[in-house]
Amino acid sequence: GDSVTQMEGPVTLSEEAFLTINCTYTATGYPSLFWYVQYPGEGLQLLLKATKADDKGSNKGFEATYRKETTSFHLEKGSVQVSDSAVYFCALNQAGTALIFGKGTTLSVSS
Amino acid sequence: EAQVTQNPRYLITVTGKKLTVTCSQNMNHEYMSWYRQDPGLGLRQIYYSMNVEVTDKGDVPEGYKVSRKEKRNFPLILESPSPNQTSLYFCASSLGGGRTGAGANVLTFGAGSRLTVL
Repeated sequence: GDSVTQMEGPVTLSEEAFLTINCTYTATGYPSLFWYVQYPGEGLQLLLKATKADDKGSNKGFEATYRKETTSFHLEKGSVQVSDSAVYFCALNQAGTALIFGKGTTLSVSS
Repeated sequence: EAQVTQNPRYLITVTGKKLTVTCSQNMNHEYMSWYRQDPGLGLRQIYYSMNVEVTDKGDVPEGYKVSRKEKRNFPLILESPSPNQTSLYFCASSLGGGRTGAGANVLTFGAGSRLTVL
């Protein structure tokens, strides 16, 4: 079945460092891809999404490009802030089916 | 404000004492779902509902029940809670329900309910 694999954390960075969180997927069709973020004590919220190959999703300085040839959707940010400390979930969705989440990657940014 | 509201946010209970976690959304969403979040396991879907009176099992339905009598509400029922159901629970909703397109399937999550079963 469809699945999502994320790099294991935690990821620990200093403020203004470059961030990459790897995400790869397995899917039979042409899924939509998402990154959700969970800040401490809160529920998940959508960070960005992409619906087809080569689409780039972006929000709050984060970017991810849907790469069908490598089945990847890596999350990047050029300069992280302390406020970016959170758990990040990669997810995929085929039309009409449930969202499938990766296990989450914890990011900790120190000043 | 568009939101998903869960209650209670925190609950400590004992084995075997029935409990219900309520979930309500004010966005007229068709699709609703329950997840549990456990360390090292990420989010796992318990049950979901594509529309009123339509519910189906997710990946980990054992020990749980749900109902969808109204569009806005989707309560999670633990008839006889056990310690292995100690977890953080999230309710979520989306326009979704069989519609194509990523926009229709973007989930809005509640703030979570932390349940401890002793």
